[in-house]
Amino acid sequence: NAGVTQTPKFQVLKTGQSMTLQCAQDMNHEYMSWYRQDPGMGLRLIHYSVGAGITDQGEVPNGYNVSRSTTEDFPLRLLSAAPSQTSVYFCASSYSLSYNTEAFFGQGTRLTVV
Amino acid sequence: KQEVTQIPAALSVPEGENLVLNCSFTDSAIYNLQWFRQDPGKGLTSLLLIQSSQREQTSGRLNASLDKSSGRSTLYIAASQPGDSATYLCAVPFHQTGANNLFFGTGTRLTVIP
Repeated sequence: NAGVTQTPKFQVLKTGQSMTLQCAQDMNHEYMSWYRQDPGMGLRLIHYSVGAGITDQGEVPNGYNVSRSTTEDFPLRLLSAAPSQTSVYFCASSYSLSYNTEAFFGQGTRLTVV
Repeated sequence: KQEVTQIPAALSVPEGENLVLNCSFTDSAIYNLQWFRQDPGKGLTSLLLIQSSQREQTSGRLNASLDKSSGRSTLYIAASQPGDSATYLCAVPFHQTGANNLFFGTGTRLTVIP
């Protein structure tokens, strides 16, 4: 059982480049989300989805796009990378519509924008 | 806006010692509180989830308590081992967007010295 799988694990981008961070889960979870983790700031929510075809913004959505065409996949797109987007990105999933649902996290993608 | 604080930011203890990690939150209208473990360069692993109606939750050597009225939770680790060395994070849901989106504290980095 793979759980939540993120690719790539590491990435270096030049300012202005675009890329897609991949996230897939095999637990049939309705809910998926993306967080970024920066030193001294904890994890902050970027975007989330409560099911295929439904996405919404989190706390820090600017500069990122998401879509959810299948239950399994929730890619995060950086449209034009900026040094401020240097961070570790985590994808998470859980059963939706429950007030007491455990969150499962991927291993993270460490992104550096130069 | 919910704020989650974890003190201390770092803690170093000798092996075998019992220890307590603290988490405080400003908005007591929470559905639950989760404790996670994060190993260096790794993703987050859920340790315990305490529902808002519960006072305590136990898993092995770990015991988490929740006092909603005072906005506090503690994670008690009994008979600490070097393998417990990691960063411990607490998180509470965004009340406005349901139970799946999480506010995280900045974590306590625990080192257990053999």
